[in-house]
Parts: sequence; C-alpha cells; structure tokens
Amino acid sequence: QKEVEQNSGPLSVPEGAIASLNCTYSDRVSQSFFWYRQYSGKSPELIMSIYSNGDKEDGRFTAQLNKASQYVSLLIRDSQPSDSATYLCAKDSSYKLIFGSGTRLLVRP
Amino acid sequence: NAGVMQNPRHLVRRRGQEARLRCSPMKGHSHVYWYRQLPEEGLKFMVYLQKENIIDESGMPKERFSAEFPKEGPSILRIQQVVRGDSAAYFCASSPSEGQNNEQFFGPGTRLTVL
Repeated sequence: QKEVEQNSGPLSVPEGAIASLNCTYSDRVSQSFFWYRQYSGKSPELIMSIYSNGDKEDGRFTAQLNKASQYVSLLIRDSQPSDSATYLCAKDSSYKLIFGSGTRLLVRP
Repeated sequence: NAGVMQNPRHLVRRRGQEARLRCSPMKGHSHVYWYRQLPEEGLKFMVYLQKENIIDESGMPKERFSAEFPKEGPSILRIQQVVRGDSAAYFCASSPSEGQNNEQFFGPGTRLTVL
C-alpha cells in the first residue's frame, strides 16, 4: 500500500462547479497534511495546510481532515479553467514530505 | 524576489559528466529539502539539510549523489557520472525553523537532461 494515495484522474468538472479531490494515507502518526497545485512544467505551489480534524477554509478552497479515517480532501468552489492542474496531496513524515502521485483536474469552460 | 531560488533552470549533460544544482532558500528559512520528479511520476524526497548538517538523506541514492548546505552560500546537489536515468526535474524546497508545522515552499526546479 502506498503511503499517500490519490486517484490520478483526470477529474473533469464544468466551470463554476465544486471540484472534490480526495487523498488517503496509510499511518496514524502523521500530523500535518498539505495540498499543492502543480501546473504542467512548473513547480508545486502550496495551497493549503491542515493539522487538525475538521475543515479549514481559505477563499475558494476548503481542506478537510479526518484522522480516524486517514482521509484528507480538498474542495474547490466555483472552479475556474485556471484551476486546471495536478493537485498533490502530501503528509509530513519526520520533516520530509511524502507525496501522492497527484490528481489531474480539468475545468471545462 | 524573496522566494526559493534554483539555478540553473535547465541543465544538459552527457553521460558520465557531473551535474551541480544550486538552491538558495527563502529569506529566513534554515531548512532545505531536495526532491526529484521523474517524468510522469510523483515527487520523491531525496535529502533534508540544515546549515552544515545533513539531517536525513534516506531518499538519496548511495552512489554518485551528494548534497551539502554550507555555512555560506547555497545548497548544492551534486550528481557524479550522470546516467540517462538521472534525467528528471529536481526541486528544492525550504521551510522556516522547527515548530512552523513544516510548510515547505518550492523553487522553480532544475530540469536535468542527460544525453
């Protein structure tokens, strides 16, 4: 089992819809989780970090963490074509980040 | 520009040559991490350094690869006798001192091509 698992997609949503990206992880030790956005040919950009169970909102983005279920998600409201990218989920493991393989999101105009 | 800086952005080497990748962390950050992203694959941790110390090099191949973060100057990732399989994007990230929940910020990357 991979330490961080994501559906590779692509996840296709129409403009203005809510995009829901999911991630599961394999241990109960990790305390910090991160969502990065990576455009093709570019570097990862930190979007959200979350450390406590529940929801954390920042603008159009909401991260959700459920440590009991070992599950973290990212919701993007009012999706825009510019949100089309690969979204990487990561967990902190003794200061190094363990990344999932990423979910490709496509927002259709 | 207060972000993480990496150079060169693109590097072409022939098999057997050496590659040197440089990374300057964000201002105020003392922790540096190197990651590698092979084509169509995810980001993989290589090494974690603080000034003059290698903290964790568990993700770095034992042979041909080395990293340093000297007291003065940028962090260097060095690949000796490169092979075609070393072709990848190498990203550096930095974070503030401990206790900051380890948010890591990435540089633009160095894309290494081995001919």
